[in-house]
Amino acid sequence: NAGVTQTPKFRVLKTGQSMTLLCAQDMNHEYMYWYRQDPGMGLRLIHYSVGEGTTAKGEVPDGYNVSRLKKQNFLLGLESAAPSQTSVYFCASSRSEQETQYFGPGTRLLVL
Amino acid sequence: EDQVTQSPEALRLQEGESSSLNCSYTVSGLRGLFWYRQDPGKGPEFLFTLYSAGEEKEKERLKATLTKKESFLHITAPKPEDSATYLCAVQTGRSNYKLTFGKGTLLTVNP
Repeated sequence: NAGVTQTPKFRVLKTGQSMTLLCAQDMNHEYMYWYRQDPGMGLRLIHYSVGEGTTAKGEVPDGYNVSRLKKQNFLLGLESAAPSQTSVYFCASSRSEQETQYFGPGTRLLVL
Repeated sequence: EDQVTQSPEALRLQEGESSSLNCSYTVSGLRGLFWYRQDPGKGPEFLFTLYSAGEEKEKERLKATLTKKESFLHITAPKPEDSATYLCAVQTGRSNYKLTFGKGTLLTVNP
């Protein structure tokens, strides 16, 4: 039981490049989330999903897109990376909307 | 707007020196308050959930308490391995899915 896993662990992009971050969970959770964590700020929700095939915007969605084609996977895409997207990205999942969110190990992204 | 404030920002303790971390919140309709521990370079690790004022939960040297305005994380006789950033987050009735996080308290326990 791996819990929540994230790929890759670290990535360097040039401004304007695109990439996809992958999140996978093996707990059969319905809800999945993408957060970003920046120095001096709390974790902020980017997008979330309440089930396979659904996605919704969080508090900082601009510049990101997401997809949930399979229940266990939640993808976060950056179509045209900007230096402001340099951050640590965390994926989380929960069984239902009010239950505990369990986090992955994070992806550190540097946009030059 | 929901707000979560954690204090102090950083706390340095000697091994065995007990203390408390504070999480104060201003929200509409608290559904749950969550405590996480985060080690450098790792994801947040769940510790506790508190749902109503007066509730307490314990795990090893940690004890979390909740009032109507704040939560405390009490650390009794800490060890160096308790060194980490402790995060507080709230979930409200307005948006059940969303956790609003504080900025965290960096705890360092010296041997």
